[in-house]
Amino acid sequence: AQTVTQSQPEMSVQEAETVTLSCTYDTSENNYYLFWYKQPPSRQMILVIRQEAYKQQNATENRFSVNFQKAAKSFSLKISDSQLGDTAMYFCAFTTSGTYKYIFGTGTRLKVLA
Amino acid sequence: KAGVTQTPRYLIKTRGQQVTLSCSPISGHRSVSWYQQTPGQGLQFLFEYFSETQRNKGNFPGRFSGRQFSNSRSEMNVSTLELGDSALYLCASSPTVAGTDTQYFGPGTRLTVL
Repeated sequence: AQTVTQSQPEMSVQEAETVTLSCTYDTSENNYYLFWYKQPPSRQMILVIRQEAYKQQNATENRFSVNFQKAAKSFSLKISDSQLGDTAMYFCAFTTSGTYKYIFGTGTRLKVLA
Repeated sequence: KAGVTQTPRYLIKTRGQQVTLSCSPISGHRSVSWYQQTPGQGLQFLFEYFSETQRNKGNFPGRFSGRQFSNSRSEMNVSTLELGDSALYLCASSPTVAGTDTQYFGPGTRLTVL
């Protein structure tokens, strides 16, 4: 069975600092897609970053970047220069061709401190 | 473009009743997925529709059902409500048949079962 594990239920970081959220997954597929989504308090889920497994280059999106280690099945999210608006629940998600569903991790609640 | 919309935003029902939730995808998106989000279980996949066809279904009892209309709007129905059905129900849409596109989420419907 395909699974996604986020081992850090809660984290905090000082404003302007860097934080890394962990995600590991398990699959026997070779081609798949990984995502980080952000869900701010009482607001809707939005995509932070997307990574295709066949691409060796790590995805980046402004202050957000990933460290994708395919052999280790690890997909961590690094947030640089943390801002108060980054306070949110962060979910790691996974999908493969033909399944038509995302599998989500249990989330990491990130709090950015002023 | 307007985002994914879900109606109603909040619902209060009693045990044994049934409920219908509605989702309008982003214009041009033909795939609609539904998820149940609870504090204990995180995000659990309910079902996915593309061009009025259910392509995948999660591990939920038959009381949970859905459908998609020719304009891509989707509804999900829960019959004989139980206390454990209290959750945030999220709808997400994506543009193509692939099933590996980025999903765009709506704000959710908060269902409370008393």
